[in-house]
Amino acid sequence: DQQVKQNSPSLSVQEGRISILNCDYTNSMFDYFLWYKKYPAEGPTFLISISSIKDKNEDGRFTVFLNKSAKHLSLHIVPSQPGDSAVYFCAASVSGSARQLTFGSGTQLTVLP
Amino acid sequence: EAGVAQSPRYKIIEKRQSVAFWCNPISGHATLYWYQQILGQGPKLLIQFQNNGVVDDSQLPKDRFSAERLKGVDSTLKIQPAKLEDSAVYLCASRVQGYGYTFGSGTRLTVV
Repeated sequence: DQQVKQNSPSLSVQEGRISILNCDYTNSMFDYFLWYKKYPAEGPTFLISISSIKDKNEDGRFTVFLNKSAKHLSLHIVPSQPGDSAVYFCAASVSGSARQLTFGSGTQLTVLP
Repeated sequence: EAGVAQSPRYKIIEKRQSVAFWCNPISGHATLYWYQQILGQGPKLLIQFQNNGVVDDSQLPKDRFSAERLKGVDSTLKIQPAKLEDSAVYLCASRVQGYGYTFGSGTRLTVV
């Protein structure tokens, strides 16, 4: 039972264009969502997060949008850079669960120069 | 600040052998997690510690996996005996309340 789903295993984008990574969830109890970036042979690193009381959060080139009614969130990267090429994981947690994270399966983003 | 240290980085063992992984969290981080990441999947929580006590081990296959966190600092995760399906990257993460996770680089286990 996958509670967090990333249906696109891979995405290729031209440098300078927008990258949009999508994530769906099924557990209505999730109230905090995060995106992690992972390079080969390294652990995931935190990128950006959003609380369920918001529908948008921005940090530089990265913006996360949350649509609670659709149980959907997306990560926008504008403009995309070759250094953004990595696996992106969507994760979710429930308040009071000691911040245990449930991860999606990841999307490999390739930014082409 | 030093990150989360894990060793070894890579390990290859035969099925039915035993293996142990070590994690040294960031100093002062009371919460420690072990995650298993199978190729093509996202990390899955195995066990969570708060100081030296277990908070949640509901997803740990206790017939073969064990973990401990002595003195609330370092932690070890052991598999005995290993199965082919245990091939994965084992990630350790630590956290201090109010802040996010810091992951280590992981141990890649291959069971042949």
